Amino acid sequence: GAVVSQHPSRVICKSGTSVKIECRSLDFQATTMFWYRQFPKQSLMLMATSNEGSKATYEQGVEKDKFLINHASLTLSTLTVTSAHPEDSSFYICSARDVQFRMNTEAFFGQGTRLTVV
Amino acid sequence: ELKVEQNPLFLSMQEGKNYTIYCNYSTTSDRLYWYRQDPGKSLESLFVLLSNGAVKQEGRLMASLDTKARLSTLHITAAVHDLSATYFCAVDQGAQKLVFGQGTRLTINP
Repeated sequence: GAVVSQHPSRVICKSGTSVKIECRSLDFQATTMFWYRQFPKQSLMLMATSNEGSKATYEQGVEKDKFLINHASLTLSTLTVTSAHPEDSSFYICSARDVQFRMNTEAFFGQGTRLTVV
Repeated sequence: ELKVEQNPLFLSMQEGKNYTIYCNYSTTSDRLYWYRQDPGKSLESLFVLLSNGAVKQEGRLMASLDTKARLSTLHITAAVHDLSATYFCAVDQGAQKLVFGQGTRLTINP
């Protein structure tokens, strides 16, 4: 099956610093990738839709200046958490779908990134 | 706005028993997905249900979709401890977006 690779799997950073998370589709092209956030014992909440070659679309309540998304190629999207605060600590997961199978494709998920801000 | 609700949210059961997790959603959609999540891990795809009446089975798990009732079920047969995990259903909202249910935390006791 298709593979989505997310890196790093864990990161600890100091308050006020920025952290970049990468999401790569390894064996397919993805014009659209999605970034989710998951707090402990809760469901996944969509943060934003990452569009190759254009600006990301953010969900209501998500600060676009804090969570910078770049989708520079058909296989790579990055999420940068800027000026991180302890409340940004969470599990971040990306997903992507194969553009060639738009009508009946499933979403493939990265391994997730556990961010801890101290 | 599409809403997806699962029940139960917590389920503790004994090995060998059968049980069903329900997933209701609020607006029309003919694509529904089931995922498994182990603690500290990402999502693992279990089933993709693409049409009304779709039924898929893998091992002790079977999923079905009734688009008219806006209901999907995940049935567990003769549960074993290895099936302990959190199970999520998700529905296509459009524009490839998925809306997730709250998750069902399943614990299977020996």
